[in-house]
Amino acid sequence: DQQVKQNSPSLSVQEGRISILNCDYTNSMFDYFLWYKKYPAEGPTFLISISSIKDKNEDGRFTVFLNKSAKHLSLHIVPSQPGDSAVYFCAASRFIQGAQKLVFGQGTRLTINP
Amino acid sequence: NAGVTQTPKFQVLKTGQSMTLQCAQDMNHNSMYWYRQDPGMGLRLIYYSASEGTTDKGEVPNGYNVSRLNKREFSLRLESAAPSQTSVYFCASSDHWWREGRNEQFFGPGTRLTVL
Repeated sequence: DQQVKQNSPSLSVQEGRISILNCDYTNSMFDYFLWYKKYPAEGPTFLISISSIKDKNEDGRFTVFLNKSAKHLSLHIVPSQPGDSAVYFCAASRFIQGAQKLVFGQGTRLTINP
Repeated sequence: NAGVTQTPKFQVLKTGQSMTLQCAQDMNHNSMYWYRQDPGMGLRLIYYSASEGTTDKGEVPNGYNVSRLNKREFSLRLESAAPSQTSVYFCASSDHWWREGRNEQFFGPGTRLTVL
C-alpha cells in the first residue's frame, strides 16, 4: 500500500514558465511534507517543506501548497530554469520516538527545455 | 565540513557474500537513517537510529543489520547478499530539534550495489 504517490513519472516545461509537480498521500497522521531534488549519481537534496497545519510555504522560486482535505500537495517552480532539470521526490514525515520517518513518492523527472 | 559521507561508492558482490556499507556525518546530528532506492520507486527506509545507542527497523529491514558505532557513524551490513538487494543505498542524518520550515534529512552520495 503506497502511502505517498507521484502519478506523473515525467514532466517537460519550457524555460521561464511555471513547473507544477504533484503528490498525493493517504495517511492523515503525517506531520510534515518535504520536497527533495535529485541529480544523477548524487544523493537527494532538500528543497522545501511544509507543516501539516499550514497550506502554503514559499522560498524564493519554490512554493509548496498543501490541500489537507484532498490529501494533495504540489510544488510550484517559477520561473523554471535549466538547472531545475532533475528528479523531484515528495516525502511525508512522521516524528516517532525521536526520529523522523520519511515515506517517499516514486519521483517525477522534470526536464526544462530552452 | 563534508556532511554525510558513504563508502564504498560502488560494489559488486556474488550471491551469498557479505559486506558492510559505511556512513559517517560531521554535523553532530542525533538521528541517522539507511534507505534503498530501486528503479521507478522512491527511497524506502531500511533501518534508522534515533540517537546513539538505539536502532529500529524501517519499512524494508529483512536481510540487513545495522550498527550505530558512535554518534558520527552508522553502518549497514548484508550478511548474505541476494540479487534482490541490488540497489542504490543512501545514508542520511537529521537534527533532533526541528526548525520551522527546515526540518530536512541530509543525504550522502549513495552506494551503488550489484549482487550477481
